[in-house]
Amino acid sequence: GDSVTQMEGPVTLSEEAFLTINCTYTATGYPSLFWYVQYPGEGLQLLLKATKADDKGSNKGFEATYRKETTSFHLEKGSVQVSDSAVYFCALNPIKAAGNKLTFGGGTRVLVKP
Amino acid sequence: DARVTQTPRHKVTEMGQEVTMRCQPILGHNTVFWYRQTMMQGLELLAYFRNRAPLDDSGMPKDRFSAEMPDATLATLKIQPSEPRDSAVYFCASGGGTGSDFSYGYTFGSGTRLTVV
Repeated sequence: GDSVTQMEGPVTLSEEAFLTINCTYTATGYPSLFWYVQYPGEGLQLLLKATKADDKGSNKGFEATYRKETTSFHLEKGSVQVSDSAVYFCALNPIKAAGNKLTFGGGTRVLVKP
Repeated sequence: DARVTQTPRHKVTEMGQEVTMRCQPILGHNTVFWYRQTMMQGLELLAYFRNRAPLDDSGMPKDRFSAEMPDATLATLKIQPSEPRDSAVYFCASGGGTGSDFSYGYTFGSGTRLTVV
C-alpha cells in the first residue's frame, strides 16, 4: 500500500541554520505530494505541494522538489527562524485511491532556538 | 479566507458521558475527513465522507464512535460512552468539489481538544 516515511525528530537547530527534513514515499503511479505544517495549538496548514516529477513547491522560504527517481520530497529552508518551530508532515495523494484520502508521514518536530 | 470551523475548541468531560464534536466544512467542498491526533499514535484517519455518504470508517472504534453528515454544512463525530483513552485532538478537514481536484490537498480545522477524566 501507499506509505510516507519521514525522519524522526525532534530536530533542534539555531536560528539562521539550514533545515532539511527527509521524506520518501511508496505509491503506485504518480501521486501528488504535500508538506503540511502544524504550529503549536493549531491544525495542519498546507505549506507547499508538487503534482508531478521535477516540480518544485515553495512557500515562506521553504522548498521541496518532487524526485520520482528517488521517490523523495525533501523539505528545505536556507535560514530558519524561531517562528518556524512546528511539526512538519509529509503527505501524498495517490491518483487512484478511493476517495483520494491523503497518506501522512509520522511528522517531524522542529525546534529553532534563538 | 475560507476555513473549516470546528466546535467546541476544548471539551473536558467525565468518563461515560456522551461527547459530540461538530465541523462546518468549506462551502463547496464535497469530501470531509475526521482525524485524531495523539502523542503516541500520531495522526489517525477515523472516517471520511464524499457528498455526505460515508466512504470509509474503518479507523473508528465502532462500538462507541459514530460519524454523520446531516447536511452539507455540518459533520458530527460522536463518542458514547467516552473513555479516558479517547483524550486527543480531533481534526476535521475538507476538500474537493465540483471543478476542483485533490492536487490542492485539504483544509484542516483548528481541532477539538478532548479530555476525558
